[in-house]
Amino acid sequence: DSGVTQTPKHLITATGQRVTLRCSPRSGDLSVYWYQQSLDQGLQFLIQYYNGEERAKGNILERFSAQQFPDLHSELNLSSLELGDSALYFCASSVNSYNEQFFGPGTRLTVL
Amino acid sequence: KNQVEQSPQSLIILEGKNCTLQCNYTVSPFSNLRWYKQDTGRGPVSLTIMTFSENTKSNGRYTATLDADTKQSSLHITASQLSDSASYICVVTPDSWGKLQFGAGTQVVVTP
Repeated sequence: DSGVTQTPKHLITATGQRVTLRCSPRSGDLSVYWYQQSLDQGLQFLIQYYNGEERAKGNILERFSAQQFPDLHSELNLSSLELGDSALYFCASSVNSYNEQFFGPGTRLTVL
Repeated sequence: KNQVEQSPQSLIILEGKNCTLQCNYTVSPFSNLRWYKQDTGRGPVSLTIMTFSENTKSNGRYTATLDADTKQSSLHITASQLSDSASYICVVTPDSWGKLQFGAGTQVVVTP
């Protein structure tokens, strides 16, 4: 158990819909990262937050947005969902950018 | 072009044998280089993390090496076990607030 929690574990929805994925970092970690992993693909970095502020942006679509709240939990919002958005979404946390990242168990999103 | 290239893409080895995975990167300057192990459908787990000044780091049967001059790293697995079957991912952290650079991973299959 990494100490990072993600909810829900599974999510099935239809095209065009909007979903919110939630991540709670390990106690004491200020940095939160979001990743997307499509079937048989590598991890794609989406976005990083540090203590509530956006720090780095990767290949995140405009239909996706994220935020980190004062209690340090983070949410990833996916809107106007397409079939290609079906993937595993991982959240990771670390003390800062230079320390080890601990990954959550992931949320499996299926868009039908 | 991806700034982190891993080879081979996949590897099949017999239980008990050793193997070496390669990671070449162009990220410069960089803060650290990490190797992760990812079981199918699970979040990655950190194996080693090395700063640019470190040459080698071990974690049980896993030994990572780093040559900052040639921008190459390797992960050596000794006396492989069936549980070593997984994807091994090389990640480089830039020396600034920037997005992490992920390799595509090497898929290792250990057979009895």
